[in-house]
This record gives sequence, C-alpha cells and structure tokens, in this order.
Amino acid sequence: SQQGEEDPQALSIQEGENATMNCSYKTSINNLQWYRQNSGRGLVHLILIRSNEREKHSGRLRVTLDTSKKSSSLLITASRAADTASYFCATDDRGSTLGRLYFGRGTQLTVWP
Amino acid sequence: DAGVTQSPTHLIKTRGQQVTLRCSPKSGHDTVSWYQQALGQGPQFIFQYYEEEERQRGNFPDRFSGHQFPNYSSELNVNALLLGDSALYLCASSYWTSGLAKNIQYFGAGTRLSVL
Repeated sequence: SQQGEEDPQALSIQEGENATMNCSYKTSINNLQWYRQNSGRGLVHLILIRSNEREKHSGRLRVTLDTSKKSSSLLITASRAADTASYFCATDDRGSTLGRLYFGRGTQLTVWP
Repeated sequence: DAGVTQSPTHLIKTRGQQVTLRCSPKSGHDTVSWYQQALGQGPQFIFQYYEEEERQRGNFPDRFSGHQFPNYSSELNVNALLLGDSALYLCASSYWTSGLAKNIQYFGAGTRLSVL
C-alpha cells in the first residue's frame, strides 16, 4: 500500500511553541501534500512539495522532503489555538497524472491557549 | 467563487437501503474524486470522474457507484448499505492538466452518513 503514516498520532503543545509532525510513505511519488482538517469537516490544502524539492515554506509552515528515506516533516512555527486540527500527509503515484491521493491516519494537534 | 459543495450534510439510513450523495465542484474544475473517511482514519479513495467517466477506482465493492454530469457535478451511490458504510464522505475537485499535474484537490465539507 502507498498509504502514508503520520507520526505522532497526537501532539499537545502550548501556544507559541513549534509543532513538528512526520510522514512516511512506501513507494515513489510525484508530489507530497499536507492537508488540515478541523473537527471532522472538509480537508484544506496547506502546502505541496514536489519530489525534486527538499524544502518549502509558506507563512508559518515549513515542509521538508527526503525521498531517499521516503519521509516528510511539517513544522508549524509559533502555533496558535486556531491551529488545533488533524493534519494529514497525502501522496500520489509517481508517473501517474490520474490524481489519486493516499492519506495516512493523521496527527491530531491540540494547541492550548 | 463557490468552493466545493456537498449535499446533504447529514444522512441517516438503515441497513440494506440505498443512498445518493451529491457534489458540485469548484468553479473551473472538471475532475471529481470521492473519498470515504471512517472515524479516526484518513480519507480512502473511492473513485474519480473525468469527462463523465470513471477514470480510476480504489478498493471498494461494486455497491459503490458514481456518475458525473455534463456540468461536472457528481453523485455517489451506495447500494445495500452496511453498518460499516457509516463514515464521512468527502468530495474533492481538481482540474485536469497534461504532464505532471499539481494535483491540489479542493474538498467539500462532506456528508456524514450513519447506517443503523
């Protein structure tokens, strides 16, 4: 299975602290994406990193990708209570343009005021 | 600009019944994917529609079927409902591009299906 796996399953921090979550996957990819989900609602796209990129930034988000280890990390700096959500990494099939995404079980992030 | 809209928001059915869920993609998008998300799990790919045809399918039984209309909206049908079909059903839209697609998918808020 291509499905990614996030680690840790749950993370609890104080506002202002940084949050780091990791993702591992099994087969070669074109892109890796991170999505956020609030309280069992729809997923919101956060950031996409291509297989030939190693690091990408967007606002308070920093994503790294190590294709040799088939792993990625998402860093949220200076976290806020509003960042409380589930975070999922999603991968695709390398060489495929069909768009199927494979999701892990997610990391539940709780940020305390 | 409306995003992805799904209806209904919630649905309660009994075992053996049939259900139809609906999705309107984001403006400008022509591809619709459906995902099933069980409680505490990540979304699982059901199938994807493009140009009114099923283009790719995940590991779901034939009880799950779909349709895409000329205006790109889509329906997900599930027959002979089982208790295990209880989940959040998510619709995601994107647009087809040649070569390596960016493949960012925009999700609706989902339909929560409870099978009793």
